[in-house]
Amino acid sequence: NAGVTQTPKFRILKIGQSMTLQCTQDMNHNYMYWYRQDPGMGLKLIYYSVGAGITDKGEVPNGYNVSRSTTEDFPLRLELAAPSQTSVYFCASSYLTTYNSPLHFGNGTRLTVT
Amino acid sequence: AQKITQTQPGMFVQEKEAVTLDCTYDTSDQSYGLFWYKQPSSGEMIFLIYQGSYDEQNATEGRYSLNFQKARKSANLVISASQLGDSAMYFCAMREGRGANSKLTFGKGITLSVRP
Repeated sequence: NAGVTQTPKFRILKIGQSMTLQCTQDMNHNYMYWYRQDPGMGLKLIYYSVGAGITDKGEVPNGYNVSRSTTEDFPLRLELAAPSQTSVYFCASSYLTTYNSPLHFGNGTRLTVT
Repeated sequence: AQKITQTQPGMFVQEKEAVTLDCTYDTSDQSYGLFWYKQPSSGEMIFLIYQGSYDEQNATEGRYSLNFQKARKSANLVISASQLGDSAMYFCAMREGRGANSKLTFGKGITLSVRP
């Protein structure tokens, strides 16, 4: 039972490069989320999706793009990487969008932009 | 205004003792849920415990309990009989309402160190 799987675990990018962070879940959850965690801070929502083909911006979407072509996959795209995007990125999913539904997280991707 | 406030500096506790991690929240919704997550040094986010706004009893999960004081808008995590493996960052989070806009909002976290 894999849950939420993120790849890669670590990545170093040069300024201006682009990359895609992969996220896949096998729990048949409709709802998926991307968060970033900066040192000493909580998690901030980048983008979320309520189902295949439907995505929306969160609190800090600038510099990122997402797509949701299948229920299982929710990749996060960084275009023109900047040092401010150095962070740990978490993908998460939930069964429902009600207030009593916890999020299940992947193990994170640690990204450094230099 | 911050929705979730965790203001304690790094916390220390002796092994086998109990510790309380503070969390206050701000919402005007009647329906909301409060969650605690643990993040060990390995980095993953582990769901520990949940408390719903309509729950009349405090939630418990093994050595974890949630001291829920609705009128004071606080949801403190109590860890009993601390173990060395409890050393980690702990995040309080809140989810309000229903529908697509019901997202999890996190506090900044508290670092807990368990001393042998």
